[in-house]
Amino acid sequence: AQSVAQPEDQVNVAEGNPLTVKCTYSVSGNPYLFWYVQYPNRGLQFLLKYITGDNLVKGSYGFEAEFNKSQTSFHLKKPSALVSDSALYFCAVRDSGSGGGADGLTFGKGTHLIIQP
Amino acid sequence: SQTIHQWPATLVQPVGSPLSLECTVEGTSNPNLYWYRQAAGRGLQLLFYSVGIGQISSEVPQNLSASRPQDRQFILSSKKLLLSDSGFYLCAWNGYNEQFFGPGTRLTVL
Repeated sequence: AQSVAQPEDQVNVAEGNPLTVKCTYSVSGNPYLFWYVQYPNRGLQFLLKYITGDNLVKGSYGFEAEFNKSQTSFHLKKPSALVSDSALYFCAVRDSGSGGGADGLTFGKGTHLIIQP
Repeated sequence: SQTIHQWPATLVQPVGSPLSLECTVEGTSNPNLYWYRQAAGRGLQLLFYSVGIGQISSEVPQNLSASRPQDRQFILSSKKLLLSDSGFYLCAWNGYNEQFFGPGTRLTVL
């Protein structure tokens, strides 16, 4: 079985400071990892993914994430936070050996990111 | 490009009434389709997925059902809504690896 943990319900960061949203995962095989962002009453927007290759993945809106296999982590980062980054962020995982997507993604519970002006 | 539509955007229904939520996808063929429920603005729970017309897999036992009458149409239904069915319902389809989500339907059962 696969699982995702987002240990922080909420992260508060001052505008202009770097931000990190934590995610750890568990899969039996190799992981496919994803970050999504959700604004109030909206669907989830895809930010970035790690499938294979470089451990540092760059995505939309200046976000990046670093895959760390030994720590089974995939933390989301941004060098300089904007107030408009305030939203709910989800980490998700799928086992690369699962049936081509039919199993769906397993999501973490989400982390509220609040950027203070 | 691919687009995913959901309607209605919001719905308020009394307990015991029926439900039908619709999801359609444009710009792709034979997609894997998914229904998720999000309670209280937090985590997502996978309810159903479909790999083709008439093929539905249920992830959790519940008061809801799903159908896929056409390749790019996915419907979530209930014969009698419960208070616990309230939530934000999201439809998604599978890209190459990631999933892409529709705008969601906010369902309130009173």
